[in-house]
Amino acid sequence: SQQGEEDPQALSIQEGENATMNCSYKTSINNLQWYRQNSGRGLVHLILIRSNEREKHSGRLRVTLDTSKKSSSLLITASRAADTASYFCATDAGGQNFVFGPGTRLSVLP
Amino acid sequence: GAVVSQHPSRVICKSGTSVKIECRSLDFQATTMFWYRQFPKQSLMLMATSNEGSKATYEQGVEKDKFLINHASLTLSTLTVTSAHPEDSSFYICSARGFNGMNTEAFFGQGTRLTVV
Repeated sequence: SQQGEEDPQALSIQEGENATMNCSYKTSINNLQWYRQNSGRGLVHLILIRSNEREKHSGRLRVTLDTSKKSSSLLITASRAADTASYFCATDAGGQNFVFGPGTRLSVLP
Repeated sequence: GAVVSQHPSRVICKSGTSVKIECRSLDFQATTMFWYRQFPKQSLMLMATSNEGSKATYEQGVEKDKFLINHASLTLSTLTVTSAHPEDSSFYICSARGFNGMNTEAFFGQGTRLTVV
């Protein structure tokens, strides 16, 4: 069953703008992770947020987690052309595999 | 965070040959490893789950004789694509789950792009 579903599926913004992506899931989780994937490349781990955390920062990345709404958001501030990639959320329910959504394809235009 | 290393990152092979992909957990013991496949512009689809020392559990529609999985140790799992065909060309990614002292957490390898010519 589909667990993590990203929204929107595609997003185009201008360089310097902020990009916000959302992820919804269905069951209880231990943690949620965001990954970036450049076209034709592997996954790059961005950030992990645990179920008892509400917000985490890493450089220009800000992740929030709302377990009551079963949703998470990834905010990239002051976006750059190099941020162009697909972004996936992956939910970890402990003992089960990750299930991925289709991802958000972010295009940052110079 | 924990590191999961996948090797090779890219491989090109001839149709009919077999290819082995390794997945290693570098700084933790992985009790469970997962193998995913990703088609172009699509999300990752789980192929199989393997626990150390036991047979892998395959998802529906995944041929176990085609995709051989071995999880012989707590730090290494291998996926062998046997008698590869062009339709097996894809991106294969593993993830490893281990105990961090409080909970289990899982992390992903970098992925392997397989091209069968």
